[in-house]
Amino acid sequence: QQQVKQSPQSLIVQKGGISIINCAYENTAFDYFPWYQQFPGKGPALLIAIRPDVSEKKEGRFTISFNKSAKQFSLHIMDSQPGDSATYFCAAQNGGRRALTFGSGTRLQVQP
Amino acid sequence: ETGVTQTPRHLVMGMTNKKSLKCEQHLGHNAMYWYKQSAKKPLELMFVYNFKEQTENNSVPSRFSPECPNSSHLFLHLHTLQPEDSALYLCASSLPGQRSYEQYFGPGTRLTVT
Repeated sequence: QQQVKQSPQSLIVQKGGISIINCAYENTAFDYFPWYQQFPGKGPALLIAIRPDVSEKKEGRFTISFNKSAKQFSLHIMDSQPGDSATYFCAAQNGGRRALTFGSGTRLQVQP
Repeated sequence: ETGVTQTPRHLVMGMTNKKSLKCEQHLGHNAMYWYKQSAKKPLELMFVYNFKEQTENNSVPSRFSPECPNSSHLFLHLHTLQPEDSALYLCASSLPGQRSYEQYFGPGTRLTVT
């Protein structure tokens, strides 16, 4: 019940296009849903996060869409750039536990 | 130095060796974490420390032994490891409470067990 399922495993997008990564969860006790971005040779870095009482959150070109009834959330990267090429992880946190449960990751490649 | 640092960045050890990984955070955080990242599995939580006290052990084998002498330092002591323990070991830190989802990761230690 702690699992977070992420898709697709890899994604190739043309420069200027929209990248969409999806995640689904089962545990209704999760109350924070962050997205992390990881470049090769670096640790993951927090990108954007949302709470389940909000259906959408936007920061610059990055948007999280959240569907509480479907227990799904997604990351949209608008106007994708080659510099966005990285691995993206969705995650979920149960407020009673500090630990994050991570999805399996999506390797995004934005072609020039 | 700023952020979360980890040493060494790369480590090769035999199955009978004993080594330690070090993590240091300069962010004034009170919670620290060890994660394992391998090609076969997503980021797996290993241990959580909150104000120097271990609050989670995610069924980690005893050949991994964590130590948290203060809120700024975290160690992972390794002994008699197996080849399947080869992975990237990531340290993270956060504020306690509601901000704990905002975790700051170090660059990791790439461990190879031969």
